[in-house]
Amino acid sequence: GQQLNQSPQSMFIQEGEDVSMNCTSSSIFNTWLWYKQDPGEGPVLLIALYKAGELTSNGRLTAQFGITRKDSFLNISASIPSDVGIYFCAGQASGNTPLVFGKGTRLSVIA
Amino acid sequence: GAGVSQTPSNKVTEKGKYVELRCDPISGHTALYWYRQSLGQGPEFLIYFQGTGAADDSGLPNDRFFAVRPEGSVSTLKIQRTERGDSAVYLCASRSGTGVGEQFFGPGTRLTVL
Repeated sequence: GQQLNQSPQSMFIQEGEDVSMNCTSSSIFNTWLWYKQDPGEGPVLLIALYKAGELTSNGRLTAQFGITRKDSFLNISASIPSDVGIYFCAGQASGNTPLVFGKGTRLSVIA
Repeated sequence: GAGVSQTPSNKVTEKGKYVELRCDPISGHTALYWYRQSLGQGPEFLIYFQGTGAADDSGLPNDRFFAVRPEGSVSTLKIQRTERGDSAVYLCASRSGTGVGEQFFGPGTRLTVL
């Protein structure tokens, strides 16, 4: 099935550093979402974006919905050890359609 | 309940067997989705229910896969004649009727086909 292009695949960073990851698509989405998944758990919603150009923050997390509606990025500022996990972007064409996910960015934080 | 629950958390079966995976959505959520997540991949859509009916089953890989939601709440994903390639984590998500895009996921069922 279709998957979004998410990069980087993995990141190793020092605690306190900022992190940036992004997601691109060949098709337009009307909603972009960012999820975090810990081992043995389902994805947990971090940020939802509904409007092109929208910039939304959730604590140390900031995400933007690209103007073209074909991309989105997620920034994490001042990383901490509990940020470790896999981050997924997901796009949705319209309200009822299923989510299309990226392959994930695996984040490791070195204390 | 407080969140989406799925049972069993782990299922090991032999090739050719039949399995059922259960999903209990968040109370009151009318939309329910099944996804499959293979190792190192993001979740991939299987089927979507709005109420009792399957509104979109375009993600089901073949006719060995079937899902029901007879009363518009609990859903069961059924896999016949399992194959080793069916091994994956099966995730269920639910969404309220007005929660555009905000799907809440369960912990998943890890299926291993030997």
